[in-house]
Amino acid sequence: DGGITQSPKYLFRKEGQNVTLSCEQNLNHDAMYWYRQDPGQGLRLIYYSQIVNDFQKGDIAEGYSVSREKKESFPLTVTSAQKNPTAFYLCASSIGGRQNTEAFFGQGTRLTVV
Amino acid sequence: GENVEQHPSTLSVQEGDSAVIKCTYSDSASNYFPWYKQELGKRPQLIIDIRSNVGEKKDQRIAVTLNKTAKHFSLHITETQPEDSAVYFCAASMSFHSDMRFGAGTRLTVKP
Repeated sequence: DGGITQSPKYLFRKEGQNVTLSCEQNLNHDAMYWYRQDPGQGLRLIYYSQIVNDFQKGDIAEGYSVSREKKESFPLTVTSAQKNPTAFYLCASSIGGRQNTEAFFGQGTRLTVV
Repeated sequence: GENVEQHPSTLSVQEGDSAVIKCTYSDSASNYFPWYKQELGKRPQLIIDIRSNVGEKKDQRIAVTLNKTAKHFSLHITETQPEDSAVYFCAASMSFHSDMRFGAGTRLTVKP
């Protein structure tokens, strides 16, 4: 079953703790992305990666970190420096390269700080 | 980076009417413009996309138009049905760049 999978679906974090969100794809896509979704603000780009071992900051990267050690995986760490981390996080992937194509999304992780 | 603005933020229509959602983008180098539909509690899914080398694309009840000079593109849904109710997002990106930017979304409600 091909696709992009995020885990967990729901995540609770205590203030001051780091937490890592998982994103795995078996679509053989080069490009992967992390977006944050808040009500009324659409999808805001946190980080993106065009190829293994390379990633770039998006518009709201402060307080987040990523790694891209494998083509299939692009985990996002929400650090204690992120002042308002409660949100819905979406991971996506696309073929990437010369001609941009459709981005496929995971089912999302809802993070709540308690 | 690219900046995408989307209007209106909410749209309510009667079943059978048409709905139009408009987006503008800032970077003239952008050349790929997809539209996504997100139903409640689900992931966004592509419904139609257009590249900068065409001005219009249609798929059954859905069409997208692109005006490169004015840097705006629009989604048109005809003969709306209750199942069209969802949040719609426009986006823009350019070749060799994977930083796709999205608009803030439009919540469409189709009243039966």
